[in-house]
Amino acid sequence: GAGVSQSPSNKVTEKGKDVELRCDPISGHTALYWYRQSLGQGLEFLIYFQGNSAPDKSGLPSDRFSAERTGGSVSTLTIQRTQQEDSAVYLCASSVQGIEQFFGPGTRLTVL
Amino acid sequence: GIQVEQSPPDLILQEGANSTLRCNFSDSVNNLQWFHQNPWGQLINLFYIPSGTKQNGRLSATTVATERYSLLYISSSQTTDSGVYFCAVEDRDDKIIFGKGTRLHILP
Repeated sequence: GAGVSQSPSNKVTEKGKDVELRCDPISGHTALYWYRQSLGQGLEFLIYFQGNSAPDKSGLPSDRFSAERTGGSVSTLTIQRTQQEDSAVYLCASSVQGIEQFFGPGTRLTVL
Repeated sequence: GIQVEQSPPDLILQEGANSTLRCNFSDSVNNLQWFHQNPWGQLINLFYIPSGTKQNGRLSATTVATERYSLLYISSSQTTDSGVYFCAVEDRDDKIIFGKGTRLHILP
């Protein structure tokens, strides 16, 4: 596609449930990034992939968060046993390594 | 890790005014980008500028890497320029760190 796409655009879930968020990067972009933005706040870096590997997972807030990327393209961010503090907009970006990032529209997650 | 500080945190201007937004960073960086987050939440690339000066219409940016700062200039501001402007740097471990942003409100 022409840009980074994310799905779903909105997700409302109950506390304790698992959620999966999906990111489709721009074709040919080898690097993929996940961020979290809480209401009125800046962006918190979660994880980045170069190809299928994630060199640094230290940005993930807890072991309930995991991410994978297969085929060097689509990535999923999984949050297990969601908590209310996980409510935020989850943003994905992609880039050709070392060059500018392009962001998707985000997934707004609300945990009740 | 690298600290990224943006100033001012908030800015209210009349349409037509010029403004300068600043981004300071505490260590050497591989890359630096400026983004605009519009009121609907979409993040838009403005500049990829690890060093030097770039211009795009009414916007320009300058990064002085040796002095660890970058400036974003907005001239003849319009109401559509409202939103939050973020500076983001990439450190030597490829981690991206965003500043807290400058919230700009342009009054008609």
